Amino acid sequence: AQSVTQPDIHITVSEGASLELRCNYSYGATPYLFWYVQSPGQGLQLLLKYFSGDTLVQGIKGFEAEFKRSQSSFNLRKPSVHWSDAAEYFCAVGGMRSSASKIIFGSGTRLSIRP
Amino acid sequence: DVKVTQSSRYLVKRTGEKVFLECVQDMDHENMFWYRQDPGLGLRLIYFSYDVKMKEKGDIPEGYSVSREKKERFSLILESASTNQTSMYLCASSFYRVSGTGELFFGEGSRLTVL
Repeated sequence: AQSVTQPDIHITVSEGASLELRCNYSYGATPYLFWYVQSPGQGLQLLLKYFSGDTLVQGIKGFEAEFKRSQSSFNLRKPSVHWSDAAEYFCAVGGMRSSASKIIFGSGTRLSIRP
Repeated sequence: DVKVTQSSRYLVKRTGEKVFLECVQDMDHENMFWYRQDPGLGLRLIYFSYDVKMKEKGDIPEGYSVSREKKERFSLILESASTNQTSMYLCASSFYRVSGTGELFFGEGSRLTVL
């Protein structure tokens, strides 16, 4: 079955510290992977996406993610977090030829920033 | 910028009431989606539409219906609201039908409480 797992429900990091949010997926075909961010009171915004090519992808707001096919992972990273990064982060997976309606979202990781 | 506007940010309704959630997008996207967001469950697809007057069931359509009379507008209808429909509802649109080629643009959400 196709699925996305975000094992960390809630993470707290200090401002200026590095961040890694984990995402594991199960998908039968070539996966297309996304990270979305939801700031408090807002809708979801795309941070970055991986379709093919370089397995390290850069996104907005200084985020990057690395696709590791052997580990079925697509972890999100940021070298130094800012208080404004406090939000909920969703990993999602779709298929190259599958409908947008088949995008599967993880359950989300809530990020808190310690001053 | 793409803008997806959900008309009501917060609603409080009583059990048995008919509820309309409206969503309008301004980028001429053909594809529109309604999701439900609950803590620990991520986003679950209720209904989607790829064209005017077209609708397809998502993963959790029970208790909901939709209307797409104009390209820019996609409405979610709760015919008889129940307390288990208390949730955050997110509307999204996309230019591409295939998940691998585009991103979803989300509205800010409508938080519905059913008493």
